[in-house]
Amino acid sequence: EVQLVESGGGLVQPGGSLTLSCAASGFTFRDHYMDWVRQGPGQGLEWVGRIRDKANSYTTEYAASVRGRFTISRDDSKSSVYLHMNSLRTDDTAVYFCTRPKTGATRGLDVWGQGTTVTVSS
Amino acid sequence: DIQLTQSPSFLSASVGDRVTITCRASQGVNSYLAWYQQKPGNAPNLLIYVASTLQSGVPSRFTGSGSGTEFTLTISSLQPEDFATYYCQQLNTYPYTFGQGTNLEI
Repeated sequence: EVQLVESGGGLVQPGGSLTLSCAASGFTFRDHYMDWVRQGPGQGLEWVGRIRDKANSYTTEYAASVRGRFTISRDDSKSSVYLHMNSLRTDDTAVYFCTRPKTGATRGLDVWGQGTTVTVSS
Repeated sequence: DIQLTQSPSFLSASVGDRVTITCRASQGVNSYLAWYQQKPGNAPNLLIYVASTLQSGVPSRFTGSGSGTEFTLTISSLQPEDFATYYCQQLNTYPYTFGQGTNLEI
């Protein structure tokens, strides 16, 4: 079964840091790009960023709202992707989803984790 | 960033109705547009990709069309399980963006 499982969410103070993890199973992780998407309380979806595969040098893309504060990394040996979040703000409060783009990268996100909740509050 | 505007934001309908949701992009995205369905407490589910291709396992009552800046998602005959929030997403230009969502309710 293809599956993504996020972990690492929690309560953090403004200005703090947190790292989310996503463990993948059921597919050849190393062959896929991976994306993060978030959803604030009662809000819509916001694309956070992408990490490409080894063939594309693990390069990354980010939304403007997180660029310079968030970093996406991956460990293909562990079939895991990570979202390192620094300088957190209250508006980063959201459910964070790990997602897998369909092969071809521009064809939508066909696998989603259940999400992990990040709350930024003092 | 490319802005996606969905209309309507709220849609009230009945079982058996045919409904259409529109997604307009602030600049062209070719056909790199996807549609998702999200039910409360769940992750989104991919319905349509590259504007008109039905994702495996999605009922054929869902159809997508459009290219460039205007796209539509049509549900031909609403079923009870279709009442949810629908989002479009452009995957043509980074940063990828989502529409604000359309809440389809009874």
